[in-house]
Amino acid sequence: SYELTQSPSVSVSPGQTARITCSGDALPKQYAYWYQKKPGQAPVLVIYKDSERPSGIPERFSGSNSGTTVTLTISGVEAEDEADYYCQSADTTGTFKVFGGGTKVTVL
Amino acid sequence: QVQLVQSGAEVKEPGASVKVSCKASGYTFNSYAMHWVRQAPGQRPEWMGWINTGNGDTKYSQKFQGRVTITRDTSASTVYMELSSLRSEDTAVYYCARNGPIVIMFDAFDIWGQGTMVTVSS
Repeated sequence: SYELTQSPSVSVSPGQTARITCSGDALPKQYAYWYQKKPGQAPVLVIYKDSERPSGIPERFSGSNSGTTVTLTISGVEAEDEADYYCQSADTTGTFKVFGGGTKVTVL
Repeated sequence: QVQLVQSGAEVKEPGASVKVSCKASGYTFNSYAMHWVRQAPGQRPEWMGWINTGNGDTKYSQKFQGRVTITRDTSASTVYMELSSLRSEDTAVYYCARNGPIVIMFDAFDIWGQGTMVTVSS
């Protein structure tokens, strides 16, 4: 079955930049979405359609797509950004949705 | 405001079924599809399936095909997810998630319920 692969963890100091990658063979054909997940809370959409930001999401969150890899960038990381981040996309048909394994962002 | 409110935690024995509800408010219910996603402890989220709340059409993940049923009650603005033949590996938090406006967000899950913990244990 189709899978998305993320690096397991990233550690950054406040004010620095965190980059989280997600790889998958269908990403050139299917949009990617990114969700922030904090313990005990529901996921929150932070990026949709590879690089669009929902209203209410800070400008420091941005996304990009370079073929089979998509990247979530958090510029000027703040303590409140410490969370797990999951990419999500679909198989080549677009029918079946899939999540990446998650990246834990630690703010030092 | 737009929100999804799910039913409370459940404890079930192996082999039983569980039915989780998700009540929508603050928007036109049958204009947005609804997905179900679960996350077991320490695992990645798993997409289970979705329902077209307008006509009731469903699509399920191959992993759960035959065990999961998603339905809706438009009069109550509520979507249900029933999972049968429960086993210990089904212990997880189950979420409903609204599919955002397709024209703008395509297949983004823009609003999530608070989650329902389902524990399968004898």
